Amino acid sequence: DGGITQSPKYLFRKEGQNVTLSCEQNLNHDAMYWYRQDPGQGLRLIYYSQIVNDFQKGDIAEGYSVSREKKESFPLTVTSAQKNPTAFYLCASSDRDRANNEQFFGPGTRLTVL
Amino acid sequence: AQSVTQPDIHITVSEGASLELRCNYSYGATPYLFWYVQSPGQGLQLLLKYFSGDTLVQGIKGFEAEFKRSQSSFNLRKPSVHWSDAAEYFCAVGAVTGRRALTFGSGTRLQVQP
Repeated sequence: DGGITQSPKYLFRKEGQNVTLSCEQNLNHDAMYWYRQDPGQGLRLIYYSQIVNDFQKGDIAEGYSVSREKKESFPLTVTSAQKNPTAFYLCASSDRDRANNEQFFGPGTRLTVL
Repeated sequence: AQSVTQPDIHITVSEGASLELRCNYSYGATPYLFWYVQSPGQGLQLLLKYFSGDTLVQGIKGFEAEFKRSQSSFNLRKPSVHWSDAAEYFCAVGAVTGRRALTFGSGTRLQVQP
């Protein structure tokens, strides 16, 4: 079955550590996205990538980094520079060639800073 | 830049009652509009979408939404709510040009009373 997988489901981090969240898709989509979700704030865009080896900052990119070396993979690193990293992180993908922006979402990773 | 407002943070309805969730958007042209649903701790699932044409769109699980250009609204409706509809609902807008990532509202949490 085609879809998006995120791992791990739960992640705990000590303050000062970098952590990397995995996102893989087998939908053959060109575009991939990372969102952060906090209670009462909806989803906010961290980074997005329209094509391999290219990505752009979203609305809240500070303290995060990404790479897009393969079409199917878009890992997100939460660095120690992110002041409040505890949140639910969602990865999504879309078909860049479609006229619309319909996005498909993974199940999410909950990150907790101890 | 586009924006989305969901004025109701939390709504409680009785099982079998009708439901309407409000969504207002701001965008310079006719946008792409989406409604997503999220169960606790899960990713987002697309309920329905509007791109053009008929302003009343049908989605999954018996949901429908109506695009009203004059009111910049895209309200979600269901004639008879089931207990399994309890979840959080997000309205999202996508730009026709430029950045293709979606902009989400802050969400409406639906509680269903027996």
